[in-house]
Amino acid sequence: EVQLVESGGGLVNPAGSLRLSCAASGFTFSSYTMNWVRQAPGKGLEWVSSISSASSYIYYADSVKGRFTISRDNAKNSLYLQMNSLRAEDTGVYYCARDFAVAGPWGQGTLVTVSS
Amino acid sequence: QSVLTQPPSVSGAPGQRVIISCTGSSSNVGAGYDVHWYQQLPGTVPKVLIYGNTNRPSGVPDRFSGSKSGTSASLVITGLQAEDEADYYCQSYDSSLSGVLFGGGTKLTVL
Repeated sequence: EVQLVESGGGLVNPAGSLRLSCAASGFTFSSYTMNWVRQAPGKGLEWVSSISSASSYIYYADSVKGRFTISRDNAKNSLYLQMNSLRAEDTGVYYCARDFAVAGPWGQGTLVTVSS
Repeated sequence: QSVLTQPPSVSGAPGQRVIISCTGSSSNVGAGYDVHWYQQLPGTVPKVLIYGNTNRPSGVPDRFSGSKSGTSASLVITGLQAEDEADYYCQSYDSSLSGVLFGGGTKLTVL
């Protein structure tokens, strides 16, 4: 079964840092572009970042550029999102998702709350 | 503000057909980039409904169909059912932003 499981969310103070992880199983992780997508409470979906299969290409939404860093470890079948200088508006559920062009899947999400 | 524009809400009676539009521009949908559609039931993870403009993943009923023309795409739901009540999002890639875009979402209400 193709599966993605996020972890690492939690409550963090403004200006703090958090590292999200996404463990993949059931498919050849190293062959696919991977993505992070977030959803603020009661709001729509917002793309955060994408990384190509060999980490050659990395893209960020303007809202997180310079603060977030996406990375992957193909040997560990894992995707990461290092989030620094966190702001209240970064609060939401963060999903990892396999290449959008192949219909997912998406993980269950991990909640990040930025508040003092 | 999303560069992919969806109506905030649509509604229909059971058995009816509804269309959800997704209007983009020459740097995304109009440039030939694929459009994908997601369904998000209340409190759940978004589910892929249509990928690559017209393709349905296995398990998605053929009541759901997608199309694309010019700078717009559409999701058509026929034979509306109560369980179709959800939020629907379109998604594409934008070359001017060098990034992925989601539409603002459309809330479907089954009357």
